[in-house]
Amino acid sequence: QKEVEQNSGPLSVPEGAIASLNCTYSDRGSQSFFWYRQYSGKSPELIMSIYSNGDKEDGRFTAQLNKASQYVSLLIRDSQPSDSATYLCAVNGGASGGSNYKLTFGKGTLLTVNP
Amino acid sequence: NAGVTQTPKFQVLKTGQSMTLQCAQDMNHNSMYWYRQDPGMGLRLIYYSASEGTTDKGEVPNGYNVSRLNKREFSLRLESAAPSQTSVYFCASSDLLNQPQHFGDGTRLSIL
Repeated sequence: QKEVEQNSGPLSVPEGAIASLNCTYSDRGSQSFFWYRQYSGKSPELIMSIYSNGDKEDGRFTAQLNKASQYVSLLIRDSQPSDSATYLCAVNGGASGGSNYKLTFGKGTLLTVNP
Repeated sequence: NAGVTQTPKFQVLKTGQSMTLQCAQDMNHNSMYWYRQDPGMGLRLIYYSASEGTTDKGEVPNGYNVSRLNKREFSLRLESAAPSQTSVYFCASSDLLNQPQHFGDGTRLSIL
């Protein structure tokens, strides 16, 4: 059973600060890693994909992947109140079972950015 | 470009009634998925279709059936609705199985 673990939060940060969201996963063979943002009452929206160890930056967002530690994180710089949402970590693929279909989601971390 | 379109957006059913949730994507994606999202449970995969003509069970398939009608459309059917199936249902699609998935707006289903 593949597992993806996230701190449920809420994580509260002041406007302008860096928000750090963390995720660990159990399947060492996992290949693809995604961060989704979900506003209350809305559908998940893809914000970052990362496939190899290291950092990937896109605007104010940075995804970090460490496969040896089975750890993926999302940093949000200069946090804005509009970043307040639930952030879902999703992990895909892996050697176990030979199936790549399963995008296993964490339960999400609620981020609140205070003005 | 609509992306992934789900209908209806809201529905209230009585226990025992049947209904079909519709999903269509216009991104020429090969793979399509149905999830349900419940408070405290996260997103759980019900069924998926890796490509046109194939369907497979996900994590929570009991009480549901699916049809991949063509490359664009993937429907989810509740044959005899139960209160435990009250949830928000999301359809998603991706180019390939291990590519990022794109979600529709969801169907909010209540079963009384």
